[in-house]
Amino acid sequence: DAGVTQSPTHLIKTRGQQVTLRCSPISGHKSVSWYQQVLGQGPQFIFQYYEKEERGRGNFPDRFSARQFPNYSSELNVNALLLGDSALYLCASFLGGAGDYGYTFGSGTRLTVV
Amino acid sequence: GQNIDQPTEMTATEGAIVQINCTYQTSGFNGLFWYQQHAGEAPTFLSYNVLDGLEEKGRFSSFLSRSKGYSYLLLKELQMKDSASYLCAVRDRNNYGQNFVFGPGTRLSVLP
Repeated sequence: DAGVTQSPTHLIKTRGQQVTLRCSPISGHKSVSWYQQVLGQGPQFIFQYYEKEERGRGNFPDRFSARQFPNYSSELNVNALLLGDSALYLCASFLGGAGDYGYTFGSGTRLTVV
Repeated sequence: GQNIDQPTEMTATEGAIVQINCTYQTSGFNGLFWYQQHAGEAPTFLSYNVLDGLEEKGRFSSFLSRSKGYSYLLLKELQMKDSASYLCAVRDRNNYGQNFVFGPGTRLSVLP
């Protein structure tokens, strides 16, 4: 089975531009979460989606938005990019249910804003 | 508020034992997780504690004390490949899934 897949793997954007990152969860997983990991820090929660609805939002500005599609894949959009948005963006999928051992992370998208 | 603390860096020798501590203060608690992250790669699951006590899994063990807001990850018989960042994360209660609050990570260097 394929794991969590993210695209693109690397991206370079200019300040003020917009970016869309994509994630496909593990087959059968209905929940997708997005995290931002700045170099040298732990991941910070951005969004969680379950059954195509937003179920959680972290402390990020409105420039960040996301959505989940009927096939449970997800997109993260960031508008008006700032230098500080440079980070590794991680997508994680979750099956759910008692005893589930947490997320499976994708390999991430490395975003560099210049 | 949400706060998770870990040492920033640790160094140990190949073949030795190292203990990485984690303290937490979170508004909700539905399990404590440890993840390993090699440079430039995604975090991978190591261990999970939801009840107090020690969970052993091969060379890795994790301990939890909920009353003290404290956990540690114990790595035995260290190997060079264990050089990585180790992330402590608390899972919040969530009816639809789960949200994790991650600590800053502990960068472990294993020396020959």
